[in-house]
Amino acid sequence: GNSVTQMEGPVTLSEEAFLTINCTYTATGYPSLFWYVQYPGEGLQLLLKATKADDKGSNKGFEATYRKETTSFHLEKGSVQVSDSAVYFCALSPVVSGGGADGLTFGKGTHLIIQP
Amino acid sequence: AAGVIQSPRHLIKEKRETATLKCYPIPRHDTVYWYQQGPGQDPQFLISFYEKMQSDKGSIPDRFSAQQFSDYHSELNMSSLELGDSALYFCASSRRGPHSYEQYFGPGTRLTVT
Repeated sequence: GNSVTQMEGPVTLSEEAFLTINCTYTATGYPSLFWYVQYPGEGLQLLLKATKADDKGSNKGFEATYRKETTSFHLEKGSVQVSDSAVYFCALSPVVSGGGADGLTFGKGTHLIIQP
Repeated sequence: AAGVIQSPRHLIKEKRETATLKCYPIPRHDTVYWYQQGPGQDPQFLISFYEKMQSDKGSIPDRFSAQQFSDYHSELNMSSLELGDSALYFCASSRRGPHSYEQYFGPGTRLTVT
């Protein structure tokens, strides 16, 4: 079956540090890959996505590249801010025939803490 | 922009009671998904509907059922509630198409079973 593995937290960094959160996946075919962010007490917000190999998703200074050869989708940001403190989930969506997508498979989540 | 609406936002029930959660997708979205997130856990996919038909099924207990109505809203019905059902329940919606894989999540319903 499909699975997503991401580094466990909490990850604690100082403001303006470089961020990497590792994510690897197991799936058949070519799934779509996502990073979602969850702030305390809130729902999941789509941060970025990639739908095919070598695609780079980017948003709000965050980036992730779909690497088929290493089955990875690592999240990076060059300079983190206190406001980036949240839980980050890597997720995949299988591509079903006829288009569309079905239930997402999530990683366990990485709690990111940015200290001033 | 309009987002996914879920009601109620908070719900407290006793063991063995029933609960109904409602989800109103983003306008023009035709697919609805339900997820359960336990404390400190990742969201677990329960079930999805496309054009009122069940599309995919995950780890939904037999005590739970769901449906999608003609206006595309969806309801998750939960019976014989157990303490372990206490969780955050998310609804997500998307518009199905050959290049549409993004699911947009609602704020969630926090269910507490006592």
